[in-house]
Amino acid sequence: GAVVSQHPSWVICKSGTSVKIECRSLDFQATTMFWYRQFPKQSLMLMATSNEGSKATYEQGVEKDKFLINHASLTLSTLTVTSAHPEDSSFYICSAQWINIQYFGAGTRLSVL
Amino acid sequence: AQKITQTQPGMFVQEKEAVTLDCTYDTSDPSYGLFWYKQPSSGEMIFLIYQGSYDQQNATEGRYSLNFQKARKSANLVISASQLGDSAMYFCAMREFNDYKLSFGAGTTVTVRA
Repeated sequence: GAVVSQHPSWVICKSGTSVKIECRSLDFQATTMFWYRQFPKQSLMLMATSNEGSKATYEQGVEKDKFLINHASLTLSTLTVTSAHPEDSSFYICSAQWINIQYFGAGTRLSVL
Repeated sequence: AQKITQTQPGMFVQEKEAVTLDCTYDTSDPSYGLFWYKQPSSGEMIFLIYQGSYDQQNATEGRYSLNFQKARKSANLVISASQLGDSAMYFCAMREFNDYKLSFGAGTTVTVRA
C-alpha cells in the first residue's frame, strides 16, 4: 500500500509562535494532498487541498493567512500554523491520494500554551 | 446536507464475534466511491476497504467486508472474528467522482471485549 509520513507527531509551542507540519508521500508521487483538522471524538474536517506547484484551495471559514500551505514537490506538502493561539490546539492530519484512495499520515497533535 | 450518516455512536462486541457498522449515503452522482477507515486511539487513519458504485461484487479485504446495497444507499462494514486490536473509531466516507473531496461520517466507536 501507499505510505504517508507526517512529522512531527506531537508539538507544544508558545502562543504567538509558528509551527510547521510536514506531510510526505514515501513511495508514490502525489499531485494532490489534503489537510484535515479533527477535534476530540469528532469527524475529520477538511481544511484545504494542496496542489503541487500551485496555490492551495481552502475550505470556507479557514483562514489562509493563519494556515499556510506549501506543496513544493510531488512528495511533500507543509502546513504552517502562523502566530498560533490556544484555540489552534487540535489534531491535524494530512492525506495524499494514490489511485483513487486517500492515504493518511499519523497526524500531529498541536498544543499551544 | 449530510452526505454520510453513521447512526451508531458506539458499539460493544465480544471477541471472536462479528460486528456490523452501519453507513448510509446520499448522492445524485451515478459514479462514486465508498471507503471505510479505522482510527485507533493513536490517531492515524488506516484505509480498510473500498467499493466503487459500479462494482458488482461486494468488496472484501481479509476480515473486512462491505455490504453494498446500492438501491438502499447503504455501505455497511462487517468485521468478522473481532479481535481486541479492532477497538477503534471507524469512519465511512464517500467521494463523488466529479469531486476530489472525501465526505466523512461522524464515526462509530467499536470496543471489543475479551
